[in-house]
Amino acid sequence: NAGVTQTPKFQVLKTGQSMTLQCAQDMNHEYMSWYRQDPGMGLRLIHYSVGAGITDQGEVPNGYNVSRSTTEDFPLRLLSAAPSQTSVYFCASSYSTGTPYNEQFFGPGTRLTVL
Amino acid sequence: KNQVEQSPQSLIILEGKNCTLQCNYTVSPFSNLRWYKQDTGRGPVSLTIMTFSENTKSNGRYTATLDADTKQSSLHITASQLSDSASYICVVRRGSSNTGKLIFGQGTTLQVKP
Repeated sequence: NAGVTQTPKFQVLKTGQSMTLQCAQDMNHEYMSWYRQDPGMGLRLIHYSVGAGITDQGEVPNGYNVSRSTTEDFPLRLLSAAPSQTSVYFCASSYSTGTPYNEQFFGPGTRLTVL
Repeated sequence: KNQVEQSPQSLIILEGKNCTLQCNYTVSPFSNLRWYKQDTGRGPVSLTIMTFSENTKSNGRYTATLDADTKQSSLHITASQLSDSASYICVVRRGSSNTGKLIFGQGTTLQVKP
């Protein structure tokens, strides 16, 4: 299993540009989510999905869109990049049912800089 | 307010020494508490997951404790190695479902020196 994969690893954008961060998992997990990690702060939830066709907002959703057309993929779209979106973005996945010990698996991250 | 606070913010120890990282939380209702290790430039990796009824859980040289009454957890690292240099993140799941909100601490950065 490849686990959770993210592309690209690094990206530099100019203010106002749009782009899509890709995330895929091969563990047949229902639950997928996007986080951003900023210095001195804990990871913050942007958007999440409990299954194909179902998405919902997290803690900091403004400026981001998501869709979930398949179980495997959960892309994150930046509509019009702003310097405040400079961050490291992590995608994660897990089973949504079962025991409380369901482990959440994180991807390697995408480091985004908006100039 | 649902919060997870970790201390110390950073720590430097010599290889072979033990250390303990602290996590205090005010999350309610509580589902479970997790410790993650995050190497520089990588995503977090789960070390332990503990529910309300568990006091101690080990994963190799890592031992986590949980006191649900005082809402405190600790992560003890025994006989540290250079590869233990990383950020350690305490995470509490709020609510009773497996999709309840995860509340992340800011992390403790550990540096192990030879």
